[in-house]
Amino acid sequence: DQQVKQNSPSLSVQEGRISILNCDYTNSMFDYFLWYKKYPAEGPTFLISISSIKDKNEDGRFTVFLNKSAKHLSLHIVPSQPGDSAVYFCAASRNNQGGKLIFGQGTELSVKP
Amino acid sequence: DVKVTQSSRYLVKRTGEKVFLECVQDMDHENMFWYRQDPGLGLRLIYFSYDVKMKEKGDIPEGYSVSREKKERFSLILESASTNQTSMYLCASSLWGGSPSYNEQFFGPGTRLTVL
Repeated sequence: DQQVKQNSPSLSVQEGRISILNCDYTNSMFDYFLWYKKYPAEGPTFLISISSIKDKNEDGRFTVFLNKSAKHLSLHIVPSQPGDSAVYFCAASRNNQGGKLIFGQGTELSVKP
Repeated sequence: DVKVTQSSRYLVKRTGEKVFLECVQDMDHENMFWYRQDPGLGLRLIYFSYDVKMKEKGDIPEGYSVSREKKERFSLILESASTNQTSMYLCASSLWGGSPSYNEQFFGPGTRLTVL
């Protein structure tokens, strides 16, 4: 049972435009959400996170939005750059779970010059 | 900077062999994790550990075991490798604590294992 879902396996965007990556979850007990970025042949690296007490968190070109009622979060990248081309994973965690993360399937973003 | 290293980047083994994947972290993190990454399935948790000699099963522990004899080292063992264990294996570590920010995990570069 996939508790965290990324329904778009891939996304292609023109350089300079906005990239929007989506993530849905089923467990209402999740209270912390993270986005990771992964290049081929490298481990994932942390990008941005959001607590369930917020609905938005911004860091430079990256903004994460959380809609708890819809159990949906999204990552916005503005403006998109070719170096953003990577696989993006969303992850969720629950308090008192010892830091265990549940990951989505990933979305491969391609930013074309 | 947190550094997580994995013993091999690429590994080729034969069916039935015993395989050891080693992971070392240098930031005194309490938590360590082993995942496998497969196309369309994302990262799936195999085993994790909160402390030395402690281990917990993740979502897909079958066919795997782990060992944590020292805080900085977490080993994944395939007792008898099978072709369906061909995958990218990723190790991660994190702090233990009440703050949600402690949930951030730091990953190693991964080991691409091929079982023939």
